Amino acid sequence: AQSVTQLGSHVSVSEGALVLLRCNYSSSVPPYLFWYVQYPNQGLQLLLKYTSAATLVKGINGFEAEFKKSETSFHLTKPSAHMSDAAEYFCAVSSNDYKLSFGAGTTVTVRA
Amino acid sequence: GAVVSQHPSWVICKSGTSVKIECRSLDFQATTMFWYRQFPKQSLMLMATSNEGSKATYEQGVEKDKFLINHASLTLSTLTVTSAHPEDSSFYICSAAMSTGQAEAFFGQGTRLTVV
Repeated sequence: AQSVTQLGSHVSVSEGALVLLRCNYSSSVPPYLFWYVQYPNQGLQLLLKYTSAATLVKGINGFEAEFKKSETSFHLTKPSAHMSDAAEYFCAVSSNDYKLSFGAGTTVTVRA
Repeated sequence: GAVVSQHPSWVICKSGTSVKIECRSLDFQATTMFWYRQFPKQSLMLMATSNEGSKATYEQGVEKDKFLINHASLTLSTLTVTSAHPEDSSFYICSAAMSTGQAEAFFGQGTRLTVV
C-alpha cells in the first residue's frame, strides 16, 4: 500500500519569498512521486515527477523537489513566490501501475 | 502531446436522472483510464480503474451499479452516474495512461456535476 502525507493544509507566503511544501510518502516498492497544482474548478497540472532518475527534480514554473529516501520525503520548493502561485498543491505517489494516491492537499496563498 | 479531454466541463441535472461524462485521450492510446472524485476543499479519491475491453475495477466503497464505467476503445472511457442524487454532486476527473512507460497518467480538466 502507498500513501502520502502533506504537512500543513495551508501555507501563506509573501510575494518573492521561498515556498516550501512538505510531502512524506510511504511505499513498499520504489515509488514514483508527483506534485500537481490545481486552480479552482480546473483539472490537475503536473509540476514535476520523480521516477528513480535524478533525486533533484526540476519542474515547471520554477518549482523543484528533492527525493530523499532516508527521510521518505519529496518536498516541493520555489525560491521566489509569485502571485500566480496561489493554488492548491497535491503530492501523489504511485507504483508502476499509474494509479495515484494523493495527499490531502496544501492551499498556498501569496501576500502582496 | 498527451492531451486528455473531458466532456462536459460542467453539468447540472435533476435528481433521479443519469449523466454521462466522457474522457478521451486525443493524441495517444490509453490502455488504462482512471476516474477520481473530488469533494470541495478535499483531495482526489480514486473511484475505479478501467482497462480497454474489460470490466472496470472499483475501489472499496464505490457503488459499481451507480457509477457505470465503460472503456470501449483505446481513446474513450465514459462514466455514467445513474439515478443521480444531490450527494453525487462533485468534481469528477479522469486520467489516462499510455501503454508504454511514461510512469505518468495524464489528467482531463474535470467535470463539475451538480444534482438539483
